[in-house]
Amino acid sequence: QQPVQSPQAVILREGEDAVINCSSSKALYSVHWYRQKHGEAPVFLMILLKGGEQKGHDKISASFNEKKQQSSLYLTASQLSYSGTYFCGTETWEYGNKLVFGAGTILRVKS
Amino acid sequence: DGGITQSPKYLFRKEGQNVTLSCEQNLNHDAMYWYRQDPGQGLRLIYYSQIVNDFQKGDIAEGYSVSREKKESFPLTVTSAQKNPTAFYLCASALGTANTEAFFGQGTRLTVV
Repeated sequence: QQPVQSPQAVILREGEDAVINCSSSKALYSVHWYRQKHGEAPVFLMILLKGGEQKGHDKISASFNEKKQQSSLYLTASQLSYSGTYFCGTETWEYGNKLVFGAGTILRVKS
Repeated sequence: DGGITQSPKYLFRKEGQNVTLSCEQNLNHDAMYWYRQDPGQGLRLIYYSQIVNDFQKGDIAEGYSVSREKKESFPLTVTSAQKNPTAFYLCASALGTANTEAFFGQGTRLTVV
């Protein structure tokens, strides 16, 4: 039941953009995005609830396509601090509070 | 300060022994979760609880057990039936409505020798 994330890993130079995708086989109620630095706990980035919703802060934003059961995370003009593993988490209409995460996308930003 | 605390940070056990990982939160959250993290496999859900005295199996519950006797506490027992228990374990909590962020503890790294 894990959502599927792509790509598995991406390497960027500072200032480049990246997109991380998350898709589910189940009808989604919400999509969460988290970032985890090595050896640390995952940190919340944002949550999307409605189909078509887009959110963002700084240069990180996300969209949610409810019909396609997909979400995408957009990182614009990447900075070194963006490096880490990004996880999408999903809640489905079927299981409510059951928050299930994908395998993660490793992002490395080089100077 | 409010937060979620896992202890211990590192835990070593001999094969065949049961071990209990602690997770405590003072955020007044109803929902609590246990995840296992292995390289390349992301965060896999072991158990979750939406309310005191109730919990549900996640995707990889075999070999694990939990209890939720208090709102603040959600301990995880790794039993000898778990075939490959060495992993990083993360506990999380959330308000409980299906649209609120989860807060994670710092994790417990369990090594079974």
